[in-house]
Amino acid sequence: GESVGLHLPTLSVQEGDNSIINCAYSNSASDYFIWYKQESGKGPQFIIDIRSNMDKRQGQRVTVLLNKTVKHLSLQIAATQPGDSAVYFCAEKRTDKLIFGTGTRLQVFP
Amino acid sequence: DTAVSQTPKYLVTQMGNDKSIKCEQNLGHDTMYWYKQDSKKFLKIMFSYNNKELIINETVPNRFSPKSPDKAHLNLHINSLELGDSAVYFCASSQGTGVNSPLHFGNGTRLTVT
Repeated sequence: GESVGLHLPTLSVQEGDNSIINCAYSNSASDYFIWYKQESGKGPQFIIDIRSNMDKRQGQRVTVLLNKTVKHLSLQIAATQPGDSAVYFCAEKRTDKLIFGTGTRLQVFP
Repeated sequence: DTAVSQTPKYLVTQMGNDKSIKCEQNLGHDTMYWYKQDSKKFLKIMFSYNNKELIINETVPNRFSPKSPDKAHLNLHINSLELGDSAVYFCASSQGTGVNSPLHFGNGTRLTVT
């Protein structure tokens, strides 16, 4: 499934499926992007980052894609697990600040 | 072992009171931050300090006063608390100056003003 993280939408996926969380950023000069996962009662936890000289970066079960032409970032989670349930935030570096998007809630059902 | 730790985890207080939140990081990072998360989960930067010096002050009311006694600590003091100050406050740290590496966050302080 896919979602655009602009108004804290909810993305519901079945365990084992792949998840795609989307994010639009506003500043074409932004050169560093980070995805965070926030579980209930905890702080944001770093997942993966990407710099603007790349368009794809892979981690363990996660892939971040960056499309600078349309200022779009996505996080792909392979074989989604119940432990992936959380709110996911994209964040962009704008001058010396890390600016967060509004987040997407990922719900994994059996 | 906690990399970024904040105290207290919960803070309930009445309007008009003054309160402080403490933050410590043991990662050896040079830059520390305070973020505020509202009820809609929106995260907004408030302050950043680099080696005890204020770098960013994001139009936060002057009732909020951060203090960094050393680069491992960044405390947040809030005077004359208002209902609208109710939120979760997160401390974070990062290596170097500016955002060139991921921020590491604490687990937050939930402030409730009644």
